[in-house]
Amino acid sequence: DGGITQSPKYLFRKEGQNVTLSCEQNLNHDAMYWYRQDPGQGLRLIYYSQIVNDFQKGDIAEGYSVSREKKESFPLTVTSAQKNPTAFYLCASSMGGLYTDTQYFGPGTRLTVL
Amino acid sequence: GQQLNQSPQSMFIQEGEDVSMNCTSSSIFNTWLWYKQDPGEGPVLLIALYKAGELTSNGRLTAQFGITRKDSFLNISASIPSDVGIYFCAGQLRANAGGTSYGKLTFGQGTILTVHP
Repeated sequence: DGGITQSPKYLFRKEGQNVTLSCEQNLNHDAMYWYRQDPGQGLRLIYYSQIVNDFQKGDIAEGYSVSREKKESFPLTVTSAQKNPTAFYLCASSMGGLYTDTQYFGPGTRLTVL
Repeated sequence: GQQLNQSPQSMFIQEGEDVSMNCTSSSIFNTWLWYKQDPGEGPVLLIALYKAGELTSNGRLTAQFGITRKDSFLNISASIPSDVGIYFCAGQLRANAGGTSYGKLTFGQGTILTVHP
């Protein structure tokens, strides 16, 4: 089945630790995205990548880092510099076409900092 | 930056009733998307709109891209219990830069729908 997978579903971290969230897609999409969702709020863009080995900061990139070494994978690292990391993290991908660029989402990872 | 106002914030309805929600923007978009999110899951695309004035249906769902390109609405007819969830609108303005194109999605705050049997 084609789709986007995120792992783990739930993640607990102690303060001061870095943690990496996985996102994999087998849709052959060029573009991938990371969003953060807090209760009662819309999604906010952290980072995005339109092509392998290239990525750009979104609206709230501070305290996060990413890599895009393979087309299928776009891992997100939440660093100790992120002041309020407890949130629901969503990965998305899109074809990156000229006229339409609909984004499809993975199931999410809920990160809790203890 | 662009802002989306989505209303209402929440709705409590009886099964069988129709539902209407909308999004308005301070600036134009050239794509409107409507997503549904179940608790603890990722948003699922319901309807995509690509032209001003476009009216599109998906089963009991109908969505329209406003003529001014600054608004969109979603209607759900004859609601059922599985319609429960959070509905998000998202606007996209596609931009070309250096031969590639990327359109950032701007999301509304969501409408929480509760359906009583």
